[in-house]
Amino acid sequence: DAMVIQNPRYQVTQFGKPVTLSCSQTLNHNVMYWYQQKSSQAPKLLFHYYDKDFNNEADTPDNFQSRRPNTSFCFLDIRSPGLGDAAMYLCATSSTSTGFNQPQHFGDGTRLSIL
Amino acid sequence: RKEVEQDPGPFNVPEGATVAFNCTYSNSASQSFFWYRQDCRKEPKLLMSVYSSGNEDGRFTAQLNRASQYISLLIRDSKLSDSATYLCVVNKGAGSYQLTFGKGTKLSVIP
Repeated sequence: DAMVIQNPRYQVTQFGKPVTLSCSQTLNHNVMYWYQQKSSQAPKLLFHYYDKDFNNEADTPDNFQSRRPNTSFCFLDIRSPGLGDAAMYLCATSSTSTGFNQPQHFGDGTRLSIL
Repeated sequence: RKEVEQDPGPFNVPEGATVAFNCTYSNSASQSFFWYRQDCRKEPKLLMSVYSSGNEDGRFTAQLNRASQYISLLIRDSKLSDSATYLCVVNKGAGSYQLTFGKGTKLSVIP
C-alpha cells in the first residue's frame, strides 16, 4: 500500500540522453516536490507544485523540467543529463488542507546513473 | 549561518546506550519541526514531529527550545535497527509549507 510511488527505482542513461522520472501518489496531497540528493548531503529542493502552480528554485538548472498533468502524477524531465546529475531523485508530497505545518511523505526514490 | 545545522557524526554507540542528537536552525520564524530517519540508499521517513512542549514516542524523545533555536532527539536503549542517518527538518518560516533539511547525523549501533 505504497502511497508515493516512484518509477523506476534505478535508471541508467547516457550522457546527454533525455530521461524522465515519474512519481504518483494515492494520498490526494495538493503539493508535490522533487528533490535531488547526493551522498552525505541534505535533499536539495529542485521545484514543487502547489496544486497546479509550478515553483522553481532559483538555483535549479534549466536542464531540469517538471510536469504535473493531474493531482496524482508528477514527472521530472532531465533534458541533457551530465555526469554531475547522477544522484538519488526523491519525490515527496504534503497537504496544506489541515494547515501549513504538515510533514512531507517521500517515495522510494529513483537512483540515476549517467554513463 | 546554515539554515539547519547538525553534527554529521558518525556516532558509534553500543547496543543499549542512550544517544542524543542536536540541531540548530537559523530562522526564528520557523514553526514546524520534524525528525526524519534515512537508511542507507533509501528515502527519508518521518520519525516524529517536534512539539513545543516536547514529545515522546517509545524510546524516542524530541525537545524544542525556541529561544535558543535548538532541537534535540534522544534515543534510549539503542537497538541495532536504529542505525541510520537522522535528519533534522524545519519549515522555512511563518506559514510556510516548505521544509529545509539538515545534512543528517549518522548513527551506528554496535553489537
